[in-house]
Amino acid sequence: GAVVSQHPSRVICKSGTSVKIECRSLDFQATTMFWYRQFPKQSLMLMATSNEGSKATYEQGVEKDKFLINHASLTLSTLTVTSAHPEDSSFYICSARDIAESSYNEQFFGPGTRLTVL
Amino acid sequence: GENVEQHPSTLSVQEGDSAVIKCTYSDSASNYFPWYKQELGKGPQLIIDIRSNVGEKKDQRIAVTLNKTAKHFSLHITETQPEDSAVYFCAASNNGGQNFVFGPGTRLSVLP
Repeated sequence: GAVVSQHPSRVICKSGTSVKIECRSLDFQATTMFWYRQFPKQSLMLMATSNEGSKATYEQGVEKDKFLINHASLTLSTLTVTSAHPEDSSFYICSARDIAESSYNEQFFGPGTRLTVL
Repeated sequence: GENVEQHPSTLSVQEGDSAVIKCTYSDSASNYFPWYKQELGKGPQLIIDIRSNVGEKKDQRIAVTLNKTAKHFSLHITETQPEDSAVYFCAASNNGGQNFVFGPGTRLSVLP
């Protein structure tokens, strides 16, 4: 149980285009999902917290108009990188908390999406 | 805010030896400490976690110890195997505080 999927796993796009990444909790419901960015040989940096039915909370320094987050259901959150530029190239990882386990902190991570902007 | 440090940044051990990775945190309110293993090109996988009401937890070859007074926790892997080679991240979180703060990671290499 507790499986999180991401789609696509890899994407290459041209500079100036927008890319949408999906994060799904496959066998549980998640009121909260998290989006992280990871540069090569670095740690995971939290970008934003996605809350079902409400606006996402962005970390300091993350542009909300550039990284659009939508959490339309208890099993799906999307991250759209708008007007992507080469510096947005990174590994994007989502995680989710199980609504049934609200007393715990455990997060289940997706497999990540490798974004390359040419 | 929380700050998590992790040492060493790289660690090489011979197969069968033990490996220890240490993390320190700054926020005394943190009470949940997971450890993740990340293989190349994949997302992090939870390998063990510990909550602040426990001092030690063990799961087969993996154990975690927590010293709340000193604000540090450690990952212990015994009888290491080549498939243990990966990057390991520690993290800290406070109760209900949903955010994880990750350490910078440790690249573990187990040499056959």
